[in-house]
Formats: sequence, C-alpha cells, structure tokens
Amino acid sequence: AQSVAQPEDQVNVAEGNPLTVKCTYSVSGNPYLFWYVQYPNRGLQFLLKYITGDNLVKGSYGFEAEFNKSQTSFHLKKPSALVSDSALYFCAVRASSNTGNQFYFGTGTSLTVIP
Amino acid sequence: NAGVTQTPKFRVLKTGQSMTLLCAQDMNHEYMYWYRQDPGMGLRLIHYSVGEGTTAKGEVPDGYNVSRLKKQNFLLGLESAAPSQTSVYFCASSSTGVRGPKNIQYFGAGTRLSVL
Repeated sequence: AQSVAQPEDQVNVAEGNPLTVKCTYSVSGNPYLFWYVQYPNRGLQFLLKYITGDNLVKGSYGFEAEFNKSQTSFHLKKPSALVSDSALYFCAVRASSNTGNQFYFGTGTSLTVIP
Repeated sequence: NAGVTQTPKFRVLKTGQSMTLLCAQDMNHEYMYWYRQDPGMGLRLIHYSVGEGTTAKGEVPDGYNVSRLKKQNFLLGLESAAPSQTSVYFCASSSTGVRGPKNIQYFGAGTRLSVL
C-alpha cells in the first residue's frame, strides 16, 4: 500500500533560519512524490515534485526537497524562512492502478515562521 | 483564469438531507478528484474520475456518489447526510500531460459542510 508520513504536526522556525519539513514514504515501484502548501481558507497549491533524476528538486517560492531512496524520505527545505512561509504543508505520493492515478496525502505539518 | 471552481462555499445540512457539490474546471483536464479534509487526517480521496463518463472509488467512498457527465464538471452527492460527513471538501483536477504538466493537481477553494 502507498502511504506518506509527516512525523511533525507543528514546526516553528525563526525568520531567516533554514527550515525543514519532514516526509517519509512507502510505495511499491518508483515513487512519484509531491509537496503542496495550503494557506488559510484556501485550496492546496503545488510546490514541487520528484519523478526521476536529480535527488534535489527545486520548486516554487525558493523551496526545494531532497529525495533519499535509502531512507525513503522526501524532506522539504528552504535556506532562509520568511514569515509569509507560515502555512500548512502536505507531502503526497502517487499510486497507479488499472483504474487510474490516485494520490495519498500525509496529515500535514503546520509551519510557523517567527519574526 | 478561473481554474477549479467549487460551489457552494458553505453549507449546513440536517442529518438525512441530501445535497450535491459541484466542481467545474476550465483547464480541459482529464482527471478530477474529490477529497475531504479533516483535522489531523490530512486529505483523503473520496472518488475520482479519469475521464468523462468514468468514475472510481478512493479511500473513503462510503456515503458518497459522484458523476462526471461532462469533462469539465465533477459532482459529489450525499444522499443522506450524517454528522460524520462534516468536513471540508476539496475538488482537484490534473492533466495526463497532453494539456498541461502531468501529475500536478490544481485545487478548488473548498466547500465547508456541517451536518447537524
């Protein structure tokens, strides 16, 4: 079965400091991994994805994620956090079947950047 | 650029009432999805569709039905609402790669449903 785990419900970081939001996954076959961000009262917005290729993936708003196959992790990172980065972050994995593609989301991590 | 539009934005139902949530996308995407978001549980897939006239069950399909009569619309129905269906519902669409980046989901703003 496909699944993702986000071990931290809440992450606090000071503005200007680097941030990491953790995600581990369990998939059969090659992993298709994603990060989305959700601002209050809004739908999710795509940040970045890993399909194949370089283990370091760059995405929107200065975010990047590192794919680590041996640790089955796909952690989201940013070198210098902004207050505007405060939001809810979701990791997701794609699963394919004979009825089409499904996406499984983690439980989300609330990021607070402290001025 | 409307993207994905959900109606209504808010609704309050009594137990046993029925309703339909409408999702419309103007990106000509093949795939459409319905999720529910509950505190501490993330997003869970209810039903999805890979094209007009086709639907499939997701993780939590019980108590819901869907229809996709037109490519741009995906309807989610609750025949007899229960308090356990109180949630925020999100619709999303994605392309197979023909008309946009593959595998990226575009979400609507959500429908907040309370069942009393």
